[in-house]
Amino acid sequence: GESVGLHLPTLSVQEGDNSIINCAYSNSASDYFIWYKQESGKGPQFIIDIRSNMDKRQGQRVTVLLNKTVKHLSLQIAATQPGDSAVYFCAENRGNTPLVFGKGTRLSVIA
Amino acid sequence: EAGVAQSPRYKIIEKRQSVAFWCNPISGHATLYWYQQILGQGPKLLIQFQNNGVVDDSQLPKDRFSAERLKGVDSTLKIQPAKLEDSAVYLCASSSNYEQYFGPGTRLTVT
Repeated sequence: GESVGLHLPTLSVQEGDNSIINCAYSNSASDYFIWYKQESGKGPQFIIDIRSNMDKRQGQRVTVLLNKTVKHLSLQIAATQPGDSAVYFCAENRGNTPLVFGKGTRLSVIA
Repeated sequence: EAGVAQSPRYKIIEKRQSVAFWCNPISGHATLYWYQQILGQGPKLLIQFQNNGVVDDSQLPKDRFSAERLKGVDSTLKIQPAKLEDSAVYLCASSSNYEQYFGPGTRLTVT
């Protein structure tokens, strides 16, 4: 399949280890944040979201942490699996304004 | 439930030619989005529809791009005439609340 991004930051993780993907967002007024996963040849897929009144939210094997002080968002994936290999994007918005996507990080899982 | 459908999946045209992309959103989703994703970058919103009305088209290059959603269901995005810098993946997404569901995209190559 085609590659989503050829020159993205890459994180290589051993299968079974935990992954942490970081994102610095741009707008201090943003109040809603989402992590998306994009596999080669596919559209972005929703993983987890968080609102600005929270600093942590957990899903199945994933946790999102929000630090509004330094405008930083992170996605933690527990027990990383080969199927987690993809490009991960953070996105932000405020109210009904359009989502603004970050640059993306490529996660490569080493079996 | 069926996902967002897009066609064609791939298109190669020469500069100055015209091209159209089609999107069928998830049934019942009132909001439809068109995004442009240049290689190595996150998606960028081009236009957002609520039913058959335009909510946001501030980032749509209106001198060459147009989009319509006449019956409030499926949508077409047109580029006329195409430029080399229009080479990208064009993603359609739909939503009924905050969560956006993306289609697989159409990869456009302008030569």
